[in-house]
Amino acid sequence: ETGVTQTPRHLVMGMTNKKSLKCEQHLGHNAMYWYKQSAKKPLELMFVYSLEERVENNSVPSRFSPECPNSSHLFLHLHTLQPEDSALYLCASSQEYGKGSNEQFFGPGTRLTVL
Amino acid sequence: GQNIDQPTEMTATEGAIVQINCSYQTSGFNGLFWYQQHAGEAPTFLSYNVLDGLEEKGRFSSFLSRSKGYSYLLLKELQMKDSASYLCAVMDSNYQLIWGAGTKLIIKP
Repeated sequence: ETGVTQTPRHLVMGMTNKKSLKCEQHLGHNAMYWYKQSAKKPLELMFVYSLEERVENNSVPSRFSPECPNSSHLFLHLHTLQPEDSALYLCASSQEYGKGSNEQFFGPGTRLTVL
Repeated sequence: GQNIDQPTEMTATEGAIVQINCSYQTSGFNGLFWYQQHAGEAPTFLSYNVLDGLEEKGRFSSFLSRSKGYSYLLLKELQMKDSASYLCAVMDSNYQLIWGAGTKLIIKP
């Protein structure tokens, strides 16, 4: 248990569906992250929130839409996805954003399959 | 561009020692992290190096040479539970983590 939970753990959706991934951290951290992990590829940073404000958007397609309603919760809204979006989506948190020594704590991920 | 290189896969024997290398080229440097990720699970933090030298934590040690853009993770007295992927990541000048693709370590009895 890392103090970061994600739901659902597995999700299968069609290309026309709309779904949301949820992340919650119980660590009192100020920064939260969404990553995409594909097989044999490096983790890809998608979005970063610090104190509930988005600070990074690494050229992510608009079919992915993040939301951070408070410092403990992070959502990733999905719509009209493509099969190549199938991957493991990891949420992480850290004490602060922009500090070198702050390690990130990861949730178990949501395994997404787009049909 | 920014790049992290680490071997794709390594095999070692239970009880032995293994060294996993990581070479990096990044825009600036604010520290290097090692994470362990068991199949189907979350990555978990192992170590952080920002100064040159060796950091030891029980059976695991991590080494950094900033001038060479190089780090290694040393695992001693290998146990079957050490079978996992080991991820190297460097924090660049913008405090963004640049990740390697991971090294899958297979431990054989």
